[in-house]
Amino acid sequence: EVQLVESGGGLVQPGGSLRLSCAASGVTFSYYWMNWVRQAPGRGLEWLSRVDRDGSRTDYADFVKGRFTISRDNAKNTLFLHMDRLRVDDTAVYYCARDVAADGRTDTYDIWGQGTMVTVSS
Amino acid sequence: QSVLTQPPSVSGAPGHRVTISCTGSSSNIGAGYNVNWYQHLPGTAPKLLIYGNNDRPSGVPDRFSGSKSGSSAFLAITGLQAEDEAAYYCQSVDGGLGGPVFGGGTSLTVL
Repeated sequence: EVQLVESGGGLVQPGGSLRLSCAASGVTFSYYWMNWVRQAPGRGLEWLSRVDRDGSRTDYADFVKGRFTISRDNAKNTLFLHMDRLRVDDTAVYYCARDVAADGRTDTYDIWGQGTMVTVSS
Repeated sequence: QSVLTQPPSVSGAPGHRVTISCTGSSSNIGAGYNVNWYQHLPGTAPKLLIYGNNDRPSGVPDRFSGSKSGSSAFLAITGLQAEDEAAYYCQSVDGGLGGPVFGGGTSLTVL
């Protein structure tokens, strides 16, 4: 069974940093583009970032560009999101999501993790 | 404020049909980008319901269908069941923003 499991969430002060991980199992991780999506309390889903199959190309939503860094370790089947200069409005559940295509990018997400909660508060 | 606009809520009686709209613009849906729909229950992983405007992944009942017209997309759910109560999100790509965008989500209540 294909599974994505996020970890690394928690409480952090404004201006702080946090690194999220997303461990993949049951799938050839290196075949797929991977993404991070978040949902703030009471709000909808929000795409944050994506990384190509070998980690050489990354894209970001404007509102996280320069603060968040996506990366991956295909040897460990793990996706990361390093978040710097966190703000109160970054408080959200963070999901990793797999692009459905094994040989390209479709911006369609067929496998999602359960999410990890990040709370930014003093 | 989301790039794609959805009604905050819809409701319907069991067995009835509801339609959820997703309104975009000439830089996303109207530009020809595909629309996907996701079902999301609190505390769970979102589930891909419709992809490529009107295709269903295996395992998704044919009670769910998608369509697209101009800069809008629609999700129709027929034969409403209690288990359909969830939030539904449309998603596309915005050429101007250079990445994927989601609608604000629609909460479905089965009366």
